[in-house]
Amino acid sequence: GQNIDQPTEMTATEGAIVQINCTYQTSGFNGLFWYQQHAGEAPTFLSYNVLDGLEEKGRFSSFLSRSKGYSYLLLKELQMKDSASYLCASLDSNYQLIWGAGTKLIIKP
Amino acid sequence: IAGITQAPTSQILAAGRRMTLRCTQDMRHNAMYWYRQDLGLGLRLIHYSNTAGTTGKGEVPDGYSVSRANTDDFPLTLASAVPSQTSVYFCASSDGGNNEQFFGPGTRLTVL
Repeated sequence: GQNIDQPTEMTATEGAIVQINCTYQTSGFNGLFWYQQHAGEAPTFLSYNVLDGLEEKGRFSSFLSRSKGYSYLLLKELQMKDSASYLCASLDSNYQLIWGAGTKLIIKP
Repeated sequence: IAGITQAPTSQILAAGRRMTLRCTQDMRHNAMYWYRQDLGLGLRLIHYSNTAGTTGKGEVPDGYSVSRANTDDFPLTLASAVPSQTSVYFCASSDGGNNEQFFGPGTRLTVL
């Protein structure tokens, strides 16, 4: 079957670093997406990885290991506005996104 | 308009009624999608369209239908609403393949 696992909730302190993990098992694999979703709003694109390794984009970085079926999103210098849910999604062999339930990140001052 | 819009923003509907959720994009994207999002669950694909004139079933298509008469519009119809269809519905579009999906603001639907 197809499965995406990520923690339900995480708490971190403003200014700190947090890593949100995601493991995936899908029929075929064409890449891994991370989206951010603020409460009551639509998801917005953060990153896409298809090759192994780390992709850095400002304060956010995303890592992929295809052999392990594993990805993480790294957020540095946390700001209060980073409080949101972070959604991991795997692109399967039909180019359909299979979504995790999301990780709610709570930032404390 | 810029991007992708949905209407209505929210709706309360009596069970058994017919309802159409509207979705329009102006980015000339070929692919469009309808998802539902429920608490504790990931986004689930209802129906999709890879190009105008074609549609396909997603993970949870029962009770829903779609049409894609042109590139811009992708309406979702609930023929006879049931309480289990209470959810937040998101429309999205992309250039297809491994390109990112852009999401509309969502429609919050309550079926009583």
